[in-house]
Amino acid sequence: DAGVTQSPTHLIKTRGQQVTLRCSPKSGHDTVSWYQQALGQGPQFIFQYYEEEERQRGNFPDRFSGHQFPNYSSELNVNALLLGDSALYLCASSWARQGNTGELFFGEGSRLTVL
Amino acid sequence: AQTVTQSQPEMSVQEAETVTLSCTYDTSESDYYLFWYKQPPSRQMILVIRQEAYKQQNATENRFSVNFQKAAKSFSLKISDSQLGDAAMYFCAYKSLSTGTASKLTFGTGTRLQVTL
Repeated sequence: DAGVTQSPTHLIKTRGQQVTLRCSPKSGHDTVSWYQQALGQGPQFIFQYYEEEERQRGNFPDRFSGHQFPNYSSELNVNALLLGDSALYLCASSWARQGNTGELFFGEGSRLTVL
Repeated sequence: AQTVTQSQPEMSVQEAETVTLSCTYDTSESDYYLFWYKQPPSRQMILVIRQEAYKQQNATENRFSVNFQKAAKSFSLKISDSQLGDAAMYFCAYKSLSTGTASKLTFGTGTRLQVTL
């Protein structure tokens, strides 16, 4: 049973560029959320996708956008990259029917460096 | 908005000994979940233990247990019989039940645990 998989594992971009990160949820899960973890900090919630729609959003600018596909996989897009966007981006999946009690399963993250 | 505070950036414990990691949180809600997650160098967040706020009994998972003090808004993690594999970053996290799904967690800044021989 494959867990949450993310790609790429590492990438380097320059300021102003755009980046797309990808996530495949754990088998049987239909909800995907994204977190940003800056160096030395705890993860911060970016947004959550369910039924191909953004359902909840944290305190992140519109430069951060996402998408969920019919197979439940998801993409995180960041436009006009800033140095401060350098971070580990974590994807987590869960099963919506479990509601509040559902456990989040995390991937190993994509490490983004912006130069 | 809820906040989670972990005041111990680093802790060290000898193998087979016991260590306690501290966490405090701030909320005006009465129902919520609290979690401890472990993040090893592989970067993958792994759930260690979960506590429902409405339960007075402290959660226990094998060598891991919590001391949940709701009035004091304190949620510490005790690791007994520490093993080398316990070395990792440990994050305390809060989940509001008002958000409707399991997805939105508020994390603390983490405690790095070293385990020595």
